[in-house]
Amino acid sequence: EIVLTQSPGTLSLSPGERATLSCRASQSVSSSYLAWYQQKPGQAPRLLIYGTSSRATGIPDRFSGSGSGTDFTLTISRLEPEDFAVYYCQQYDSYPWTFGQGTKVEIK
Amino acid sequence: QVQLVGSGGGVVLPGRSLRLSCAASGFTFSSYGMHWVRQAPGKGLEWVAVMWYDGSHESYADSVKGRFTISRDNSKNTLYLQMNSLRAEDTANYYCARDYTSSWFGPLDYWGQGTLVTVSS
Repeated sequence: EIVLTQSPGTLSLSPGERATLSCRASQSVSSSYLAWYQQKPGQAPRLLIYGTSSRATGIPDRFSGSGSGTDFTLTISRLEPEDFAVYYCQQYDSYPWTFGQGTKVEIK
Repeated sequence: QVQLVGSGGGVVLPGRSLRLSCAASGFTFSSYGMHWVRQAPGKGLEWVAVMWYDGSHESYADSVKGRFTISRDNSKNTLYLQMNSLRAEDTANYYCARDYTSSWFGPLDYWGQGTLVTVSS
């Protein structure tokens, strides 16, 4: 099983700042099969990024993804008030599909 | 627009069964793989099961294998999760989600609102 470890657990930032979230895999993940999701309290997750760097439909370009092998990054270039949420990475390269434990981006 | 509406959750005794449903609309249901993902209260996401567009392939997390069964009725645009021998650790919000592809090779691009299952005596 591929274990995904996200860091930091919590990121305290102000609106307008840049957020950098990390996702490290226990073994190599094909870059075609790494996604990022956003979840707000009381809501279902929403797909942000797939294939490491492709934005899902309707996702603003302040969200970007990068990485390869075992190290992946989600960057939010300038935080908007609606971006404060929990973010999960997920690999769909191999069974079982796994998620990271999440990074909470909170208002400083 | 794509809609996934889950139902069937509730409070159930340990060892009992429950069947969840997920009604799909706004897209050609029979063309997409479908997943169940759960989230225990205050915890992260855990993938549970997946089924191909035509029902020909399915896969389960080890934690539910042999107890849960995923199925679909493409004529009714509905996905199901039959949950047997429920345990306290199955308590979670259960989400149905659409695979980006017809099988299981894609991200989960649309999610239902979730249905809460509580296993407690």
